[in-house]
Amino acid sequence: EIVLTQSPATLSLSPGERATLSCRTSQSVSSYLAWYQQKPGQAPRLLIYDAFNRATGIPARFSGSGSGTDFTLTIRSLEPEDFAVYYCQLRYNWLSITFGQGTRLEIK
Amino acid sequence: EVQVVESGGGLVQPGGSLRLSCAASGFTFSSFSMSWVRQAPGKGLEWVSSITGSGGNTYYADYVKGRFTVSRDNSKNTLWLQMNSLRAEDTAVYFCGKASAAAGLNAIDYWGQGTLVTVSS
Repeated sequence: EIVLTQSPATLSLSPGERATLSCRTSQSVSSYLAWYQQKPGQAPRLLIYDAFNRATGIPARFSGSGSGTDFTLTIRSLEPEDFAVYYCQLRYNWLSITFGQGTRLEIK
Repeated sequence: EVQVVESGGGLVQPGGSLRLSCAASGFTFSSFSMSWVRQAPGKGLEWVSSITGSGGNTYYADYVKGRFTVSRDNSKNTLWLQMNSLRAEDTAVYFCGKASAAAGLNAIDYWGQGTLVTVSS
């Protein structure tokens, strides 16, 4: 079983600042890593797939990077609507899926 | 427009059963794998099960294996999750999701709004 560990658990920043969220895997993986944003009472929204590809309609301020065991979601200049919980997700063993525990991005 | 809509949630006693449905529209349902993901109150996302487009292959998280069964009817554009021997720890909002058109099995690009399952006596 592969475990995804996200850090930090909570990130407090102001609008306009840069956010860097980390997702570390327990073993080296193919870059089948995705990132989601979830706001209270809503379904998750796909942001990034295959580590660095932006999903349809996602603003360019969101970017993904990384390989091996370390992956990063960067939000270049935070907008008020970006404050939410972010999850990383990995597919492995054909069609098993696992999520990280989430990073809460809150307004400072 | 792609839509997935879950239904069938509710209150059930421990040991009981419930069947969730997910109605899909706006895409060629049979061409895409589908997944169930749950979220306990105040907690993170947790994968439950996935099924390939043909329905020929199914996959389960260890904590539901042997109790939950995923199935689909491509003629009805419908996905199901049969949940048996329910436990208190199965209490969660259950989301169904469609495999990404761009990323295939690697991501879920459309999600329903979820249906709440509460297991309690």
